[in-house]
Formats: sequence, structure tokens, C-alpha cells
Amino acid sequence: QITLKESGPTLVKPTQTLTLTCTFSGFSLSTSGVGVGWIRQPPGKALEWLALIYWDGDKRYSPSLKSRLTITKDTSKNQVVLTMTNMDPVDTATYYCVHDGSNWVGFDYWGQGTLVTVSS
Amino acid sequence: QSVLTQPPSASGTPGQRVTISCSGSSSNIGSNYVYWYQQLPGTAPKLLIYRNNQRPSGVPDRFSGSKSGTSASLAISGLRSEDEADYYCAAWDDSLSAVVFGGGTKLTVL
Repeated sequence: QITLKESGPTLVKPTQTLTLTCTFSGFSLSTSGVGVGWIRQPPGKALEWLALIYWDGDKRYSPSLKSRLTITKDTSKNQVVLTMTNMDPVDTATYYCVHDGSNWVGFDYWGQGTLVTVSS
Repeated sequence: QSVLTQPPSASGTPGQRVTISCSGSSSNIGSNYVYWYQQLPGTAPKLLIYRNNQRPSGVPDRFSGSKSGTSASLAISGLRSEDEADYYCAAWDDSLSAVVFGGGTKLTVL
């Protein structure tokens, strides 16, 4: 079965760079049509899509955060890494890793999420 | 300010049918599939509806989705206490080249 798990720091200081790793199992990111992405949710607020990377290396980013985000994949390790530069307290949120299935099935599997707090 | 507009709250009594709306534009709902996600308290969201009106395996047929023009709706029939959750709509936006979400609707079962 498909599982995803986020890992990374729980606390970062303002201006620092956040690096989050999504380690997944049950599928291959080399399978046509498959993607892995990141979505975040500030406490008590709505979901916000951040980035996606597809099996062929295609990358998509939120326009409002594009300058700060980088998404990469390591197919051999079954991992996707998201980096976000210049962190600010408003970036405090739960960050979710998601599986984007082929054939427009949407974000059909989610990680449990990891809460990242930005504070000095 | 979310690109897709949802009512912040909805409510119903057990057994009732409730609908949640999601309003967008020609660049998102008007030209792409709509997805619905359910987020139970303290948990990660779960895919509820994909491709406007398709249910993933395991989602009860009490949940249904529809789309017309630049709006979409999620209907829940035979409301149950365990349906109390936040519901989000989402779609791809061609103008933004981004996935956009609604602001979420908190459903309360009275």
C-alpha cells in the first residue's frame, strides 16, 4: 500500500532555509503520470499548495512562493525534498507530502504531516 | 483570500442532506476537474471526490460531487455525526499554472 512520511526540523529561525524530506513506499516515482507534491496548512487556516514534481522531472511551483521553493526527487531512494528559503513566522504550518496519481485522480494519498514552527 | 470560494460553515442534523458550494472562474473550475477533500479534526486531509464526481474506493455513496460552469458542489446525504469535518475544494488553475484550494467549509452535525 502507498505511504508517505515527512521529516525535517520542527523549529527553524527566521531567515533560515527549511529542508523537508518526503520518504514514500508502495509506488515508484518513475511510473508514468505519477507525481509527489507538498501542501501546507497554517494552524486553523486553509490548505495551500506549494509544489509538485512528476515522474519525468517536470516541476510546478506556487506562483506566490516560486522564488523561495525548490523541489527535487531521488527515485532510487524513494524520496522527494522540498527546500524553502528565507523562512518567516508566517510560514509556520503543518507541511504535508502528497501522492498525485495518474489520470487526474488527485492527491489520493497524504502523509501525516509535520508541524514546522518559525520562531527566533 | 482563496481563489476558490466556499462558505465558511455549513450545518445539518443527522439524516439530512447538505450541500457545500465552491465557486471559481473559467481558468480553474470552468476548464478543469474539481476535487474535494475531507479533513477530520486533527488528521490529514483525505480525497473524497475526484474528476468532479468520482468517488475513490471506500468513500460511501452518500458523498457526491457535481460541477456546472464555474461552480461545483459537494452533497452529503444521510448526514452522520462522523461527517463533521472541514471540506476543501480544489482545481488546477490555467492562468496561475497552480493548484488552487477553496478556503474550506466547516461542517457541523447538530
